[in-house]
Amino acid sequence: QVQLQESGPGLVKPSQTLSLTCTVSGGSISSGDYYWNWIRQPAGKGLEWIGHISTSGSTNYIPSLKSRVTISADMSKNQFSLKLSSVTAADTAMYYCARQTGGNIVTFDYWGQGTRATVSS
Amino acid sequence: QPVLTQPPSVSGAPGQRVTISCTGSRSNIGAGHDVHWYQQLPGTAPRLLIDDKNNRPSGVPDRFSGSKSGTSASLAITGLQAEDEADYHCQSYDRSLSVWVFGGGTKLTVL
Repeated sequence: QVQLQESGPGLVKPSQTLSLTCTVSGGSISSGDYYWNWIRQPAGKGLEWIGHISTSGSTNYIPSLKSRVTISADMSKNQFSLKLSSVTAADTAMYYCARQTGGNIVTFDYWGQGTRATVSS
Repeated sequence: QPVLTQPPSVSGAPGQRVTISCTGSRSNIGAGHDVHWYQQLPGTAPRLLIDDKNNRPSGVPDRFSGSKSGTSASLAITGLQAEDEADYHCQSYDRSLSVWVFGGGTKLTVL
């Protein structure tokens, strides 16, 4: 059973960088036809896909955040991370990491429990 | 504004059938991209509920089914139960934006 667990500081000051880590257990982030994603959800709103990293290390980001986002992976720790720079209050949200399957049917099949990030001075 | 449009809320009595719509455009659902549905129980993370081919993960009852036509998709829930009270999100891919997109979510209330 694959499990994902987000971690990171809950409070970030405006203009600083939000850094979150997702630790994966029960499966390797460096094998299989999978993508490892970050998705966020502002309070009371819908889900927004931020970006992903593949098992080969290639990345893809939502264009609206591309200039501020970096997703990277540490294969030795079976973790992948999100860095979002120059944050504002609009970046306050619950952040989820999720596995995305490749192949013919591409779904987000495993999710972490989420970690709340608040941008405030 | 979400790329996929869902009603903010729907409701139904126990035992009834409800449907949740998900309206997109020619660059996502209308382009033939798959539509998947996720259930988010109160205070929890979303979980995959049903995929475009009506495959359900282990533990999801067959009371849940999906359909798609043109630029829209729907999730149907039959024999409504109190435990179905949750937010439901549709998801697809948008070829114009080159991003994975979600609906704004629909809150289901069981009366």
